[in-house]
Amino acid sequence: QVQLVQSGADVKKPGASVKVSCKVSGYTLSDLSMHWVRQAPGKGLEWMGGFDPEDGETLYAQKFQGRVTMTEDTSTDTAYMELSNLRSEDTAVYYCAADDYGDYAFDHWGPGTLVTVSS
Amino acid sequence: SYELTQPPSVSVSPGQTASITCSGDKLGDKFASWYQHKPGQSPVLVIYQDTRRPSGIPERFSGSASGNAATLTISETQAMDEADYYCQAWDSNIAGVFGTGTKVTVL
Repeated sequence: QVQLVQSGADVKKPGASVKVSCKVSGYTLSDLSMHWVRQAPGKGLEWMGGFDPEDGETLYAQKFQGRVTMTEDTSTDTAYMELSNLRSEDTAVYYCAADDYGDYAFDHWGPGTLVTVSS
Repeated sequence: SYELTQPPSVSVSPGQTASITCSGDKLGDKFASWYQHKPGQSPVLVIYQDTRRPSGIPERFSGSASGNAATLTISETQAMDEADYYCQAWDSNIAGVFGTGTKVTVL
């Protein structure tokens, strides 16, 4: 059974960067396609980016290109999402979500990490 | 940019059928999934590849897709089905996109 454990809540000032981690257990990270999704207060789910198994590349939503970096450490089965140049609108719950069959559906979700951007 | 549109809200009586339509350009040509999201919890996949149901998801959840729309149907709706529901689509051009979300209220 895949389990995703995320890092704890964080508070950042505008202009700073945040790095959220997502540790995989019960599976090997390299056998998953990991994605990141966020939900701002009162808003819907928003896909930020993730691994496309068809071409073997990480894709980013156009909205976040240049500000987001998604990486993986297969030695510890941990995925990371770093978002830079934070603004208040980036206050949100950030989820890691895993696709374990390569069918572009997010079968497993982490518990979410609240990131608050405030001066 | 690619957009997926859903009705903001759907109301249904217990035991009745709720249907949520997700509209997007040539959506029927892409892989569509549906997620149930309750407050304070993580989203749960209820339908993938338009019509397939993950193990553990009740049979009352079903999906279909054609043309520019995908539809999630909840038969014999129960109080526990009250939640926000999001469609999501993927293809090589749009990558991952979520719909605007629909709040299902069981009256």
